[in-house]
Amino acid sequence: DAGITQSPRHKVTETGTPVTLRCHQTENHRYMYWYRQDPGHGLRLIHYSYGVKDTDKGEVSDGYSVSRSKTEDFLLTLESATSSQTSVYFCAISLRHTSGASQETQYFGPGTRLLVL
Amino acid sequence: GENVEQHPSTLSVQEGDSAVIKCTYSDSASNYFPWYKQELGKRPQLIIDIRSNVGEKKDQRIAVTLNKTAKHFSLHITETQPEDSAVYFCAASFNDYKLSFGAGTTVTVRA
Repeated sequence: DAGITQSPRHKVTETGTPVTLRCHQTENHRYMYWYRQDPGHGLRLIHYSYGVKDTDKGEVSDGYSVSRSKTEDFLLTLESATSSQTSVYFCAISLRHTSGASQETQYFGPGTRLLVL
Repeated sequence: GENVEQHPSTLSVQEGDSAVIKCTYSDSASNYFPWYKQELGKRPQLIIDIRSNVGEKKDQRIAVTLNKTAKHFSLHITETQPEDSAVYFCAASFNDYKLSFGAGTTVTVRA
């Protein structure tokens, strides 16, 4: 599982409340990503990070912010949650694979299921 | 940015038959094409990938082919088994750090 954990794993919240999701990795990988997964859309990149305090937007970044104050943690914040942000959120890291797959493969965390009422 | 289209969206095959999923991409600079398998309620997991300097890659019952000229790549699963039932995603990258995913194919293997 490439040492990736996500918390919480499930969350129910109300429209307008702030929500922070955490991704934690134990193996000092430089690149970390946040995706959302919705039926019919596959996985869409929200934000990614290429180092401490270095982040950039993905294709669906509106309404989301991120922070990375240390290598092992990448936080995704919904400043004011909306029902359209109900989704499954996956964190991923990018690492060089030593066998089988090619280099710089992305590996995913277990996901966080978020419901905004 | 890169746009990846994936077909079909659903695929039902008889156990033992082959399954083929096709993806097209828009950016001719893309050079890395992984495939992920996602079982119900689980995380996507890499099953095979290919780089643009290779036309085909195999790993036991799965293979991926790449046609750079036509900008499409395909996943082939032979001798399908019930455990192959899952959602499969293709992806493309023009560098090694950002992936664009297809919408997914739900594969059902009938016993």
